[in-house]
Amino acid sequence: DVKVTQSSRYLVKRTGEKVFLECVQDMDHENMFWYRQDPGLGLRLIYFSYDVKMKEKGDIPEGYSVSREKKERFSLILESASTNQTSMYLCASRLSDGVGTGELFFGEGSRLTVL
Amino acid sequence: QKEVEQDPGPLSVPEGAIVSLNCTYSNSAFQYFMWYRQYSRKGPELLMYTYSSGNKEDGRFTAQVDKSSKYISLFIRDSQPSDSATYLCAMTPSSGYSTLTFGKGTMLLVSP
Repeated sequence: DVKVTQSSRYLVKRTGEKVFLECVQDMDHENMFWYRQDPGLGLRLIYFSYDVKMKEKGDIPEGYSVSREKKERFSLILESASTNQTSMYLCASRLSDGVGTGELFFGEGSRLTVL
Repeated sequence: QKEVEQDPGPLSVPEGAIVSLNCTYSNSAFQYFMWYRQYSRKGPELLMYTYSSGNKEDGRFTAQVDKSSKYISLFIRDSQPSDSATYLCAMTPSSGYSTLTFGKGTMLLVSP
């Protein structure tokens, strides 16, 4: 089974802090994604990565950055956390473009509260 | 007009009912259609996948795509309390170099 692991399920941070959200997948997937999920707004794509050291902006990249130094690990960074970044963050991975169904495998989510 | 429209619910039904969940979309380029199920405090997981138009059945679940109407449906027969979850539709023009466009999800509550 594909496993996508998000290191922190619940985090509480203060405004202005730098926040790291870590995601690791164990199935050698090339593509990885970061979404945030908010009531009434659904899933919104923040950043994604097709391969190591590659990154692409999603629909709402402002206030976020990412790092993908190893194939299995994709990190989301909030340089200076703000209260409007309080949300559920979901990491996902996919085998590769053009291969199979393009199914996304999601982690269990990291619920971030910024005070 | 948003790319994918999905009624947020909640949709409340008694156990054993037939459930119909729907999404409409505007982008005629969408070719791959998926339904994800998300239990409370969990990540979404793929439930059904369909390419282009037609029906696909898997146990109590049937996914239906009508590209001419830009309308997709998920039917759940003999619904169970364990089906209580949020159901998200998702779609993409192709499986290569593209990202999924998600609906906002419909919350389903099945009461015993």
